[in-house]
Amino acid sequence: DAGVIQSPRHEVTEMGQEVTLRCKPISGHDYLFWYRQTMMRGLELLIYFNNNVPIDDSGMPEDRFSAKMPNASFSTLKIQPSEPRDSAVYFCASVRAGNYGYTFGSGTRLTVV
Amino acid sequence: QKEVEQNSGPLSVPEGAIASLNCTYSDRGSQSFFWYRQYSGKSPELIMSIYSNGDKEDGRFTAQLNKASQYVSLLIRDSQPSDSATYLCAVMGRTGANNLFFGTGTRLTVIP
Repeated sequence: DAGVIQSPRHEVTEMGQEVTLRCKPISGHDYLFWYRQTMMRGLELLIYFNNNVPIDDSGMPEDRFSAKMPNASFSTLKIQPSEPRDSAVYFCASVRAGNYGYTFGSGTRLTVV
Repeated sequence: QKEVEQNSGPLSVPEGAIASLNCTYSDRGSQSFFWYRQYSGKSPELIMSIYSNGDKEDGRFTAQLNKASQYVSLLIRDSQPSDSATYLCAVMGRTGANNLFFGTGTRLTVIP
């Protein structure tokens, strides 16, 4: 299995631009999570899906952030408009129900200038 | 109050020594606990899980859980330079919730 695949690996964008991060979970995994990691706040859960349905989005910072999971093999996290404080590493992770060992993707390092 | 608290370190130990990493959590109803290792610039990887009070050993790693004290620890015996990384403590919510709460991590450096 190729693991959890995220793209792009790095993204540099100007403030105010739209940013879309992509994730392909491991086939057969029921849960998909989006995390954001910064030095100050560590890993923060933004949103998670179960069987493509958003379960908890209370970690999404504000309305500028949105996430979708149109099918079992693809999810996006969109920031519009982006701001410098959104600069962080964004991780996607997936896990099969009943198994608690998350598998993380390689992450997307986002820099908003 | 943060859900999961760790000493950010850095923690430095000489090669061959025991490294002790600690974590406390706030939700007394938490049932599942995990340690992840994250090398610089890489993603977290699961190294240990523990669900009941006491010790769980896996090779050079031992996880310890004390639910009464809401305390989890990770011991690394015979520390190697390759163990140098940030160690993240993660706690799962009450039964039925599948999301993990992570601490901010402890940076460990093993000095050759």
